[in-house]
Amino acid sequence: GAVVSQHPSWVICKSGTSVKIECRSLDFQATTMFWYRQFPKQSLMLMATSNEGSKATYEQGVEKDKFLINHASLTLSTLTVTSAHPEDSSFYICSAPRTGVEETQYFGPGTRLLVL
Amino acid sequence: GENVGLHLPTLSVQEGDNSIINCAYSNSASDYFIWYKQESGKGPQFIIDIRSNMDKRQGQRVTVLLNKTVKHLSLQIAATQPGDSAVYFCRGTGRRALTFGSGTRLQVQP
Repeated sequence: GAVVSQHPSWVICKSGTSVKIECRSLDFQATTMFWYRQFPKQSLMLMATSNEGSKATYEQGVEKDKFLINHASLTLSTLTVTSAHPEDSSFYICSAPRTGVEETQYFGPGTRLLVL
Repeated sequence: GENVGLHLPTLSVQEGDNSIINCAYSNSASDYFIWYKQESGKGPQFIIDIRSNMDKRQGQRVTVLLNKTVKHLSLQIAATQPGDSAVYFCRGTGRRALTFGSGTRLQVQP
């Protein structure tokens, strides 16, 4: 079964509104989670690293005031797209590392955002 | 710099043929590697992994080969099926998630 969930799976919103996407690790704790964006037929692009109890680390070119990240607990990170515009329409995916014998990244199913 | 996604190369194979997908890595300190499969509209899923003390590992219809000398991984899929059509990514160890610059779109022709 899925070990990382995302909610919602898809969302349509009007330009100028804010959208919150949740990423949950279901049966393990994750002090770090990662947020990606993916445009059609392109590779995953890392947007930011979400750190539990501290500020997120953003990749170059990603606006931190535009994409607000909150890692409120060891199983939940949220990404809020503020004042969304049509160019923010994309597929947003999160991942969380699960450490066992080796560390494996588990990915959420993704959230498709369409901004009208 | 501008945060631009990379367009992925495409490998097209006939159903029933074997597929070989390649991946190069740069961090010689990586000691554990994973192949992921991402179907359209879904998040990536774990396929198979390999530790650096191995050069080959087999799963069900999939085989991963590791050549540490040239920092190269390959994923071999036997008797490719339409359900194998997806994008395939590799990554090495590290708590930091990598930007998935490498990846190949596999298209299976019926």
